Amino acid sequence: GQNIDQPTEMTATEGAIVQINCTYQTSGFNGLFWYQQHAGEAPTFLSYNVLDGLEEKGRFSSFLSRSKGYSYLLLKELQMKDSASYLCALNSGNTPLVFGKGTRLSVIA
Amino acid sequence: NAGVMQNPRHLVRRRGQEARLRCSPMKGHSHVYWYRQLPEEGLKFMVYLQKENIIDESGMPKERFSAEFPKEGPSILRIQQVVRGDSAAYFCASSTGASGNTIYFGEGSWLTVV
Repeated sequence: GQNIDQPTEMTATEGAIVQINCTYQTSGFNGLFWYQQHAGEAPTFLSYNVLDGLEEKGRFSSFLSRSKGYSYLLLKELQMKDSASYLCALNSGNTPLVFGKGTRLSVIA
Repeated sequence: NAGVMQNPRHLVRRRGQEARLRCSPMKGHSHVYWYRQLPEEGLKFMVYLQKENIIDESGMPKERFSAEFPKEGPSILRIQQVVRGDSAAYFCASSTGASGNTIYFGEGSWLTVV
């Protein structure tokens, strides 16, 4: 089976940098996804890491360490619109994506 | 709109009625997934379908719930004899292939059982 842990809530200030961590345990691993979900809306794809290291995409970056079962999503130059839940999801091979409970980020002025 | 289309967006049912949720995948996608999200909880996998086949239904309750993805038309998630605990957001997602492919979500169907 799979197990995914993320902090439940985080608060950060507009313009700052925030790191959202995700740790996981799984018997098979193909990759790790990050999705953003605003309240009452659909999750939208942010990033997909297959190999170790940092992938940068504008203000958002995602890091993966397969040996440590660890990933993080880094958000720079925070904006109020970044207030949302951030979902970590495991691709374990032949099973559909398994999602963590998500981290609810509040950006304050 | 080339995205994943779900309807209805909001549905209210009385206990004991049936709820029928529809999902049209993104153009070119033949794999459909249904997830359920309860308030303050994560997305829980329910069922994975390809055209005319159920690939994985390990997350779907054995009773009252069924899903199909016919050769023609949308995928349908059917909940019979709804109970209050079925109140949730039901998200459909689609992809071009199996594991490793990004899945794209529809806007969700919010079911309220009164």
